[in-house]
Order: sequence, then structure tokens, then C-alpha cells
Amino acid sequence: GQNIDQPTEMTATEGAIVQINCTYQTSGFNGLFWYQQHAGEAPTFLSYNVLDGLEEKGRFSSFLSRSKGYSYLLLKELQMKDSASYLCAVRDSNYQLIWGAGTKLIIKP
Amino acid sequence: IAGITQAPTSQILAAGRRMTLRCTQDMRHNAMYWYRQDLGLGLRLIHYSNTAGTTGKGEVPDGYSVSRANTDDFPLTLASAVPSQTSVYFCASSGGRGDADTQYFGPGTRLTVL
Repeated sequence: GQNIDQPTEMTATEGAIVQINCTYQTSGFNGLFWYQQHAGEAPTFLSYNVLDGLEEKGRFSSFLSRSKGYSYLLLKELQMKDSASYLCAVRDSNYQLIWGAGTKLIIKP
Repeated sequence: IAGITQAPTSQILAAGRRMTLRCTQDMRHNAMYWYRQDLGLGLRLIHYSNTAGTTGKGEVPDGYSVSRANTDDFPLTLASAVPSQTSVYFCASSGGRGDADTQYFGPGTRLTVL
């Protein structure tokens, strides 16, 4: 079966750095997405990786290793507004997104 | 403002009733999707449409139907609601040029079936 694994919850301190990991086992691979979802709101797109390596976008970076079935989202200079759930999704061979259950990130002052 | 709208925002429904959730996008995206999101689970695809006039079944299609008469609208119908359909429903669309077919989400409909 297809599976996306992420930690359920993480806690970090304002101003610090946090890394959220995602491992996947899917039938085919056509890219990996990270989304942010604040409580009670819709998911919003953060990043996309299709080739191995690091993609940097401001305070957020996303890394992919296709051979290891692994990605991480790195958040730097954490702000209180970064408190949210972070969703990892892989596009499979049918070009459909398979979603992880999300990682709830709690930022403490 | 460009984007996706959903209606209603929330609804409480008696079991056995019929309900249609509405979704409209103005981005001229070809593909549209319906997901449900339940606590502790990832988003699960209910139905999708790659282009107007076509639809397909996702991971959890039972009890739901969709239609895609035009590019903009993609309604989701629950023919006879059951309590297990209590969930938050998100509509999404994709098809922008040069954005890796990223999916963009509507604000969601919170549905409670009693």
C-alpha cells in the first residue's frame, strides 16, 4: 500500500530552527509537496520538490532524497505565526496526491 | 478576487438527507478535486475531474457523486447522508502554467451528520 509518515506533533522555540521529516512509500513518484495548514483553515502551498536536493524559499527550505523516500521541511527563525500543521504529499504514478496526516508544530515564546 | 469558493461554510444535516456542497473556481484550472479531512488522517480524495465533462473516483468515493458541467463548478452530492460522512470537505483545483500542477484549496465546508 501507499504510505506517508510524518511525526504527529513537534514543539520548538520562537527564533529557533525546526526540521519536519517525511518518509514515503508510494506507487511511483511525480513530485513531493509541502503545505501549511492553520487550524480551521485550508492548506496552502509551501514547496515542491521533484529532483534530489534542497529548495530554498525565504525562511523555509525543503529537501528531497528519492532513493531514500525521504524529505524534510526546514523552518528557520521561527515566528509564532508558524504554529500550524505541515502536510507532506507525494504525487504517485496515477498523478494523484497521497497525503500524510500532518505534523502539528507548536511554537513557544 | 481569484481563487476557489465553497458553500456552505458549515452545515448540520440529519441522516438520510440529501446535500450538495458547492465549489467554484475562477482560475480557469482544468483539474478539480474533492477531499475530506478527518482528525488524525491525511486528506483523502473522494472524486476528481481532470477536465470539464469528465470525472473519476478517488480513494473514498462511496456515498458521494460529482458532476463537472463546466470548467468553473464542481459540486459534490451526498445522496443520503450518514454520520460517518461528518468531516471537513475541501475542494481544490490545479492546472496553472509553470507551477508543477500545484493544487490550490478552497476554504472548506464543515459538515456534521446527525
